[in-house]
Parts: sequence; C-alpha cells; structure tokens
Amino acid sequence: GAVVSQHPSWVICKSGTSVKIECRSLDFQATTMFWYRQFPKQSLMLMATSNEGSKATYEQGVEKDKFLINHASLTLSTLTVTSAHPEDSSFYICSATGTVAGELFFGEGSRLTVL
Amino acid sequence: QKEVEQNSGPLSVPEGAIASLNCTYSDRVSQSFFWYRQYSGKSPELIMSIYSNGDKEDGRFTAQLNKASQYVSLLIRDSQPSDSATYLCAVAGNKLTFGGGTRVLVKP
Repeated sequence: GAVVSQHPSWVICKSGTSVKIECRSLDFQATTMFWYRQFPKQSLMLMATSNEGSKATYEQGVEKDKFLINHASLTLSTLTVTSAHPEDSSFYICSATGTVAGELFFGEGSRLTVL
Repeated sequence: QKEVEQNSGPLSVPEGAIASLNCTYSDRVSQSFFWYRQYSGKSPELIMSIYSNGDKEDGRFTAQLNKASQYVSLLIRDSQPSDSATYLCAVAGNKLTFGGGTRVLVKP
C-alpha cells in the first residue's frame, strides 16, 4: 500500500505557542489528504479535508483559524495548531486516499501535549 | 443515532477462537465498507474492504456485508494475542465515517 509519513511523532509545547505537523505521501501523489483528531479511547474525528492548491474544507465545529492547513504540493500537507491550549492535546493523524475512495493510508500520527 | 455503530467492548476471546465483530450503519446509500485495525498508541491500518453483499475472505479475516440489514461484520479466525487491538468499522457514502471501534483482547 501507499506510504504516508507524518512528523513529528510527538511534541510537547507550552500553552499559547503554535505547532506545525507535516504529512507527506512518499511514493505517490496525493491531491487530497485528510486530517483526523483522536482523543483517548475515542474514535477518529475528521477535522478537515486538505486539497492541493486550494483551501481546505473544514468539518463543522472545527475552527479554521486555529487549525491552519496548507497543501502546497502533491506530496505535502501541513497542519498548524495556532495558540495551542491544553484542550488541544490529542493524537493528530493525517491520511491519504489510495486508488479506491475510502481506502485510507494513515501517517504514523502526531501526539500533541500542550502544557 | 450514530451513523456507524460498534460495540465498544472489550471483546475477550481465548487464543485460537473466533472473534466476531459487528457494525451497523444508518446511511442506505453507503457503497463501500472497511475494517481498520488500530493498536494502542498507533494510527489505523486497513485490513479489509468489502463492497458487495456476502462474504470476503483474506487469510484469517472474513468480512461479511448485508446491505439490506445495514450491517457489516468481521470474523477473525484462530485469534492470536497479536490481534489484540481496536477494530474500526468505516463506511463510505458521501463521506467516510468511522465507528467508535471495538476493542478486542485475545488471551493466551
């Protein structure tokens, strides 16, 4: 299957700072990537759909000014958590679609802890 | 009613037994169905996909789909301790929706 790499795998930051998470498709071009958030013992929640060369589409309830998504190339999408607060602490996972809609290849995930 | 529902578990099965996981969905126009496995602290990985009614087998895994009853299931035969994980059901219609996951514990 396709390889999606995410970096960093974990990050600890102070409240009020911004954190950038990178998601790369290593062996294919991903015109669309998805960003999920997962709190402990809960399922994946789609945050936004990232489209190369255009604005991301955010799910209801997700603040687009807080979670900045940039998909500047066919192999890289970034999620920036701006002015992070402890309630933003979560497991953030990116994914890309393979040849079949719904078959997602996930990055390793990034665990964010905001102190 | 949640769009995709799963029993959260944990589903405890002895090693070598069959683990049976169920998933129901509400959107009748759903066309594609997936099972993902997620180990604790890791991201999900796709293990099965099924698109038409009936059974689909892949190694020790069998997915079953019944669109009329709006359920999809996953059977894990000869369960191994390494199968202990959370299994996420995902349904694709207009968008991909995940269930809450079923935690499976395989005891040696």
